[in-house]
Amino acid sequence: GENVEQHPSTLSVQEGDSAVIKCTYSDSASNYFPWYKQELGKRPQLIIDIRSNVGEKKDQRIAVTLNKTAKHFSLHITETQPEDSAVYFCAASGGSYIPTFGRGTSLIVHP
Amino acid sequence: DAGVIQSPRHEVTEMGQEVTLRCKPISGHNSLFWYRQTMMRGLELLIYFNNNVPIDDSGMPEDRFSAKMPNASFSTLKIQPSEPRDSAVYFCATGGGAGGYTFGSGTRLTVV
Repeated sequence: GENVEQHPSTLSVQEGDSAVIKCTYSDSASNYFPWYKQELGKRPQLIIDIRSNVGEKKDQRIAVTLNKTAKHFSLHITETQPEDSAVYFCAASGGSYIPTFGRGTSLIVHP
Repeated sequence: DAGVIQSPRHEVTEMGQEVTLRCKPISGHNSLFWYRQTMMRGLELLIYFNNNVPIDDSGMPEDRFSAKMPNASFSTLKIQPSEPRDSAVYFCATGGGAGGYTFGSGTRLTVV
């Protein structure tokens, strides 16, 4: 089955800095890669996703890149704000549509 | 759209009791997933339904766990008998087949 590794497990940045979270996957058949943000005590919420037919996608301050050859994808957050503090999960899924999640990255943005 | 609706939000029960968690998916979503979230193990997939049929239940930890989806608008996850190590947040998530899964608010289960 699919295996998703996510790094780092904790990321601490100053407000205004950029943050990058990286994930690798094992199944070359995976073709859909969503990212979720989970605030304390709340549900994971989809913030951005990318499919295997594109290499990069942006939405305001967040962007995701995908390298199919290397089987890794990354989340980039620019101009971080305290409200970006949360746990971020990457996931990968393929033809079965079953998403496999990474272990999560706890992002802390210091004012 | 009310989103994915889970009940109860919180459940505290004594060891050995039966626990039933409920999920109402988003109308039109044909994929339904039950996840368990703990600090130690993160988000674990328990079972996946597609068009009300269980497709993959390899994540169900033991026979004490069972899940049903009698129709397209309702699913249950049952634990019988419950144990303290079952304490976790249980999420139901649904999807329309093209990705973009939506999570419910979760049920925080505490077994004492």
